[in-house]
Order: sequence, then C-alpha cells, then structure tokens
Amino acid sequence: DGGITQSPKYLFRKEGQNVTLSCEQNLNHDAMYWYRQDPGQGLRLIYYSQIVNDFQKGDIAEGYSVSREKKESFPLTVTSAQKNPTAFYLCASSINIQSNQPQHFGDGTRLSIL
Amino acid sequence: AQRVTQPEKLLSVFKGAPVELKCNYSYSGSPELFWYVQYSRQRLQLLLRHISRESIKGFTADLNKGETSFHLKKPFAQEEDSAMYYCALRSDGNAGNMLTFGGGTRLMVKP
Repeated sequence: DGGITQSPKYLFRKEGQNVTLSCEQNLNHDAMYWYRQDPGQGLRLIYYSQIVNDFQKGDIAEGYSVSREKKESFPLTVTSAQKNPTAFYLCASSINIQSNQPQHFGDGTRLSIL
Repeated sequence: AQRVTQPEKLLSVFKGAPVELKCNYSYSGSPELFWYVQYSRQRLQLLLRHISRESIKGFTADLNKGETSFHLKKPFAQEEDSAMYYCALRSDGNAGNMLTFGGGTRLMVKP
C-alpha cells in the first residue's frame, strides 16, 4: 500500500530537548516537504527537499533542521531553539519539484510541550 | 509574495442547503489554484484543482482572475461534507511545486 507514513502520531517534548519526527514514503517521489499547521493559520512550509542530499528552507525554518540521506526518508528535528513548537506537523511528497502533480500528505504528528 | 485568504474560519449550514467556501488570493503571475480537504481522522487530500475544471463530490470551483478568487461551491450540502477545507496556490516560475495555503475553513453540515 503506497503512501506516506509519519511517526509518532503524538510526541511530547521537554523544555530544552530536541525531538525528531519521522516521515517515510514509498511512492518513489523525489520531492518532500514539511509543513506546520496551526489553528487559523493554515499550513506553513518549514523545509523542502528536491532530491536526496538536498534541502531548502521554507518560510518558517528557524528552530528546525532536516536531512535527506535517503529518497524515502525526510526526518524533521525540532530543536530547543524553536520557542513555540506545539503544533501539528505534516509531511508531504510529490513526484518532483517541477511537477504540477498534487502533493500527497501523511497523517501528521502532533507535538506538545510538557 | 503570494497570499491566500479564506475569510471564514467556520461555516455552518443545514443539509441540502447551498454552500460556498470563499478563497481569495494575491499573486502577480499566473497562479494555479487547488482545494484540499481534511475529513475527521483522515489525512489532507486534494479535492480539486482549477485546471481540471471538474466536479468532485458535487463541488466545483471557478478561478476568477478579475476578482482573484477561487470559491468552492456545492448546491446541496451533505453531512459527509463536514470537514476542514484549505485553498492553496501554486505560483508559476518558482522552484516548482510550492504551495501557499490559506488559513482553512471548517465546514459543518447539520442534519
């Protein structure tokens, strides 16, 4: 069953702690994205990756980091520098960055602060 | 910079009533507009896109470049239409498949 898998579904972070959100896709998509979803603000782009070993900052990259060592995986680390990390995080992928094909989304991870 | 505005955070209608979810955008180039929907306990998914000019689940949306709008309409709302709806814009000439999302509108269809 092809798709995007995000884990965990719920995550709690202590003050000063880094946490990593997992995103895996088996759609053979080149492009992957991380969004943050806050009530009333829609989805805001954190980071995106066009291809393995490449990634670019989105609109709200401060306090976050990513890696793209494998095509299938695009983990997001929420660092202690992110002062307001409580949000719903969505991962997405598309065939490639130039494509006009729609993005496919995961189920999301809800991050809360203890 | 592009911007997408959905002025209504919540829209409540009765079953069988017409529904219109508003979406306005600002962008100087030639945009491509989408509507994404998120049903309860389901992932965000594409509902329709303006270039397809199709009706999905009874919903239609017409791109009005003069009014810079892409409102989503359905003549007779059903309870199963209750969901969160996001309007999104893909701008031309940039890195590619970057989407700018509106703030979302929650549609509640009452029996």
